Amino acid sequence: EAGVAQSPRYKIIEKRQSVAFWCNPISGHATLYWYQQILGQGPKLLIQFQNNGVVDDSQLPKDRFSAERLKGVDSTLKIQPAKLEDSAVYLCASSLSGRVGGTQYFGPGTRLLVL
Amino acid sequence: AQSVTQLDSHVSVSEGTPVLLRCNYSSSYSPSLFWYVQHPNKGLQLLLKYTSAATLVKGINGFEAEFKKSETSFHLTKPSAHMSDAAEYFCVVSDRDYKLSFGAGTTVTVRA
Repeated sequence: EAGVAQSPRYKIIEKRQSVAFWCNPISGHATLYWYQQILGQGPKLLIQFQNNGVVDDSQLPKDRFSAERLKGVDSTLKIQPAKLEDSAVYLCASSLSGRVGGTQYFGPGTRLLVL
Repeated sequence: AQSVTQLDSHVSVSEGTPVLLRCNYSSSYSPSLFWYVQHPNKGLQLLLKYTSAATLVKGINGFEAEFKKSETSFHLTKPSAHMSDAAEYFCVVSDRDYKLSFGAGTTVTVRA
């Protein structure tokens, strides 16, 4: 079974530029998550989708971050404009459903460096 | 509100000796608890999970964890460390909803 795919794996940009990350979840997984992992910390949930609808985006900095999952399959996360503090690893995860105790499967992440 | 505290930021062990990673949690409800491992430049991999069944949970690669409600702990152990166990380990809690709350992580190094 193919895992969660993410691209690019690495990205270096200057502050105030824009950047986009892509995620393809495991086939058949209805729920998709984006996490931000700052160096030395555990991942923090940014947004959760159930199919193509947003379930929770309470931790997403909406003035600069946006995400979409138009056809209920793959998803993009965008940052515009980027700030220095956005340097982090952005992880995508998916699960069969969003039920409590369900297992989330993580992709390899995109490492972003903002200069 | 739910939260997790990993009591050690770094653990160093010799190959072949036991590993103990300590985790305490806070939850208002009956939680689900997980341990994930993250190898360098790799995604997070689920080691094991507890969801209100047996309190001693066995996972992959010889790891196990014991849920102790009275101590609000979910410590991870392995009887004999291998070089491939060198990685970052995260204790994770989830209670009423789908949200996962991660600890800050414990870095494990294994000495030959």
